[in-house]
This record gives sequence, structure tokens and C-alpha cells, in this order.
Amino acid sequence: KQEVTQIPAALSVPEGENLVLNCSFTDSAIYNLQWFRQDPGKGLTSLLLIQSSQREQTSGRLNASLDKSSGRSTLYIAASQPGDSATYLCAVRPADSNYQLIWGAGTKLIIKP
Amino acid sequence: SQTIHQWPATLVQPVGSPLSLECTVEGTSNPNLYWYRQAAGRGLQLLFYSVGIGQISSEVPQNLSASRPQDRQFILSSKKLLLSDSGFYLCAWGVESYNEQFFGPGTRLTVL
Repeated sequence: KQEVTQIPAALSVPEGENLVLNCSFTDSAIYNLQWFRQDPGKGLTSLLLIQSSQREQTSGRLNASLDKSSGRSTLYIAASQPGDSATYLCAVRPADSNYQLIWGAGTKLIIKP
Repeated sequence: SQTIHQWPATLVQPVGSPLSLECTVEGTSNPNLYWYRQAAGRGLQLLFYSVGIGQISSEVPQNLSASRPQDRQFILSSKKLLLSDSGFYLCAWGVESYNEQFFGPGTRLTVL
């Protein structure tokens, strides 16, 4: 059974630092992995989608990597800003599913001015 | 461009009352549609998904139901709400061939 874990559950760093958020999954048979951002009381915003055949995706200051064999993905945020404060969630789509996403519980990120 | 709407944004209902939450998508056709619930401090739980009009699959047995009367409309309902139905309800859409999911703004439901 696929399980997704995000560690740490919470992270607080000063503004300007580069940081890495981690996502691990137990079954390497995935179709893709998606990173989301959620602001308090709001819906989820899709940040990056990595297909199983890809190693990384970049969008602005964000870079997501995928190592399927080791069951890991990282979200790298460069030059962090207070506006990056949010909860970041990762979700994997199992290779044998057309619809299902398996979710991590998220990392709550606080960027201190 | 595609947009997804949910309403109401917040709702406070007494135990035993009915529920109807609505989700509509614009700018795409024949999307997969999803209802999720997010309880405080917990991850997302998939409640229902739909691959077409009138086609609903349930993931979790409960007192909730879903319907898709039109291609881009997805409705979450209950005849009698329970305290445990409180939570943040999110609607999402996706395209099967790519399966990136896009979320609506959510509805905060409090059952008293």
C-alpha cells in the first residue's frame, strides 16, 4: 500500500535562505508526483508536476526533483520570502490508478522577515 | 483559461440538517471531478470522483453523496449532517490523460 510522508511537519527559517522540503513514498510504481501549496483557509495551488520519467521540474524560484527508485522527491525554494509561508503538500499518483492521488500530510513553512 | 468555483465559502449547519455544496468548472470539457475533505491538521481524504455525467464513484462509506447533473457541475450532498462532517471540503478537476489536479477555493463546513 502506497504511503507518502513529509518531513518535517513544520519548518521556520529566516527570509532569504534557500530551503528544501522532503517527500518520500513507499512504492516506486508511480505515474507522477505533484507539489501543492495551501494558504490558511484556502484551496490548493498546484506548483509543479513531475512525470515518472522526469528527474526535475522548475518554475521560477521553485525546483522539484524526483528519484523514483529511492522513493523521494524534494522541493527546493531559492531565496525564500515571507510570501512563501504556507503549507506545502505532495501527492503521488500510483501507476495503476487513473484518478487516485496519495497525499502527504504537508509541511507548514514559515518564513520570518 | 480554466477556473473552478465552489460555494458557499463557509457554512454553519445544525446536526441533522441537509447539505448541498456546489462546484462548477469553466474552460474545459469532460473533466474528471473530485470531492475531498480535509480535517483540521490532517491530510486530504478523497470522498468521491466522477469521470462523466451521472458517473460517481465513492471512496469512503458515509452519509454523504455526490451527483454530476452536468458535465462541469459536481454536487456534494447529505440528508442529515453529523458532527463528524465538519471540515474543509475541496473540489478539484483534472484531465485523465495528464492527471494534474486543480483545486477550488474550498468550503468550510461547521456542524454544530
